[in-house]
Amino acid sequence: DQQVKQNSPSLSVQEGRISILNCDYTNSMFDYFLWYKKYPAEGPTFLISISSIKDKNEDGRFTVFLNKSAKHLSLHIVPSQPGDSAVYFCAASLNNDMRFGAGTRLTVKP
Amino acid sequence: DGGITQSPKYLFRKEGQNVTLSCEQNLNHDAMYWYRQDPGQGLRLIYYSQIVNDFQKGDIAEGYSVSREKKESFPLTVTSAQKNPTAFYLCASFERGNYGYTFGSGTRLTVV
Repeated sequence: DQQVKQNSPSLSVQEGRISILNCDYTNSMFDYFLWYKKYPAEGPTFLISISSIKDKNEDGRFTVFLNKSAKHLSLHIVPSQPGDSAVYFCAASLNNDMRFGAGTRLTVKP
Repeated sequence: DGGITQSPKYLFRKEGQNVTLSCEQNLNHDAMYWYRQDPGQGLRLIYYSQIVNDFQKGDIAEGYSVSREKKESFPLTVTSAQKNPTAFYLCASFERGNYGYTFGSGTRLTVV
């Protein structure tokens, strides 16, 4: 039972354009949402998070949007850079329990 | 420099063998986790421990065992009962009030 879903396994974007990565979840009790970035053969690194009491959080080029009624969140990267090419995992948390999506591989082309 | 250390980075196991993956953290975090990553599957929770001498099964605990004798250490044993152990294993720690996990660099286990 996958509680967190990333339906796009891959995304390709031109450098300088916007990258939009999407994530859906099923458990309305999740109270914290996070995005992680992962390079091959490395552990994921924390990117940005959002509490369920907010609908937007921004950190530099990265913005996360949360739509609780739709149980949907998205990560926007503007402008996209080649160094952003990686796998991005969406995660949802309740207490200390965290569930991850399957990931979306972002490729930013120069 | 605080962090999580996983070793070894690459591990090869013969059929029928048990192997143990090491995870050590110097972050003084109470909670530690083991995840498995397979292509297209994301990160799946194997076991987690909220405190020393206590641990709980995650979604895919069958064929694995753990111990938590010290706060800093949370080793994972992949037993011969695990039928498909080839995967990338990630250890993580978490501290209440500091959202976001800290991950180790992972161990790639291959059955030969």
